Amino acid sequence: DVKVTQSSRYLVKRTGEKVFLECVQDMDHENMFWYRQDPGLGLRLIYFSYDVKMKEKGDIPEGYSVSREKKERFSLILESASTNQTSMYLCASTYWTEGTQYFGPGTRLLVL
Amino acid sequence: KNQVEQSPQSLIILEGKNCTLQCNYTVSPFSNLRWYKQDTGRGPVSLTIMTFSENTKSNGRYTATLDADTKQSSLHITASQLSDSASYICVVSILTGTASKLTFGTGTRLQVTL
Repeated sequence: DVKVTQSSRYLVKRTGEKVFLECVQDMDHENMFWYRQDPGLGLRLIYFSYDVKMKEKGDIPEGYSVSREKKERFSLILESASTNQTSMYLCASTYWTEGTQYFGPGTRLLVL
Repeated sequence: KNQVEQSPQSLIILEGKNCTLQCNYTVSPFSNLRWYKQDTGRGPVSLTIMTFSENTKSNGRYTATLDADTKQSSLHITASQLSDSASYICVVSILTGTASKLTFGTGTRLQVTL
């Protein structure tokens, strides 16, 4: 079974803090994604990566950056957290972009 | 604008009953359509994935249908169980160059009660 894990289930941070969210997959998938999910809005793509050290902006990249130094690990960075970044963050991976995406359990981030 | 609309927003049914969730989309060019189940506080889990040439696909008690002409899909749940209580998300994929782009619906929240 594909396993996608995220470093934290819940996080509470203060405005202005730098926040790191980590995602690890164990199926040698090429593609990894970061989404945020907010009530009534559906999942929105922040960034994705199709290879090590490669990244592409999604629909809402402002205020975020990413890092992919190893194939299995994709990190989302909030350089200076703001209250409007309070959300559920979901990581996903897939072998090819047309295939099924496998999601992690999510990280619920609260920025105070 | 590419959109995926789901209905109803929420639904409550009795255990053992059937239900059907709807998904209408306007995205183009269409590549495939997926249904995901998301339990509260969890990540989505894939139920079905259908290309434009497929009309129906089943996964246990879940049956998805697709009408690519009318751009409509439905997810039918048979003999519902309490564990079916979750959000069901319709996702449409379009091909952009060599990659695909996913557009997510906002989901239907299903509650199955005794």
